Amino acid sequence: DAGVIQSPRHEVTEMGQEVTLRCKPISGHNSLFWYRQTMMRGLELLIYFNNNVPIDDSGMPEDRFSAKMPNASFSTLKIQPSEPRDSAVYFCASSFRRTANTGELFFGEGSRLTVL
Amino acid sequence: GENVEQHPSTLSVQEGDSAVIKCTYSDSASNYFPWYKQELGKGPQLIIDIRSNVGEKKDQRIAVTLNKTAKHFSLHITETQPEDSAVYFCARQGGSYIPTFGRGTSLIVHP
Repeated sequence: DAGVIQSPRHEVTEMGQEVTLRCKPISGHNSLFWYRQTMMRGLELLIYFNNNVPIDDSGMPEDRFSAKMPNASFSTLKIQPSEPRDSAVYFCASSFRRTANTGELFFGEGSRLTVL
Repeated sequence: GENVEQHPSTLSVQEGDSAVIKCTYSDSASNYFPWYKQELGKGPQLIIDIRSNVGEKKDQRIAVTLNKTAKHFSLHITETQPEDSAVYFCARQGGSYIPTFGRGTSLIVHP
């Protein structure tokens, strides 16, 4: 299996520009998470999808952030307009949720975003 | 709440020594406690986990212990090697499917 695939791996943009990060989860997984990692805050959950439906988006910082999952194979995280404080590594993770409320998360390699 | 406290934030050891990382949680519904290792430039990867009906679990040089009464769990790495250098995250699940992660421990193993 190819694992969780994220693109781009690195993105450098200027303040005010739109940024779109992409994620392809592991085939067969029904849960998808977007996390943001910074030195100051560690791993922060942004949004959680189950069966392509957003279940918890309480971690999305503000209206500038939006996430979609149009099908089981693809998700996007969009920032518009971007700001320097959005600079971080963004991780996508997928898992297969069974009836129990536990399960291993499989992380992608991350997208490092730098907003100048 | 569902907070997870992790200590220490940085741990420096000599090759061959043991390393211990400790986490505490508050949610009594927690019943699954995974540990993830994040190498430089990569995403976190599960290395070992423990469920609430077990007190200890070993896998070669790594072991996890769980004290549900005290709400704490620990990761033990014996005979550390330079390739163990990474950031380690504890987490908990249960009640909610969404895992809560600790802040991470940067482990440095000096040759």
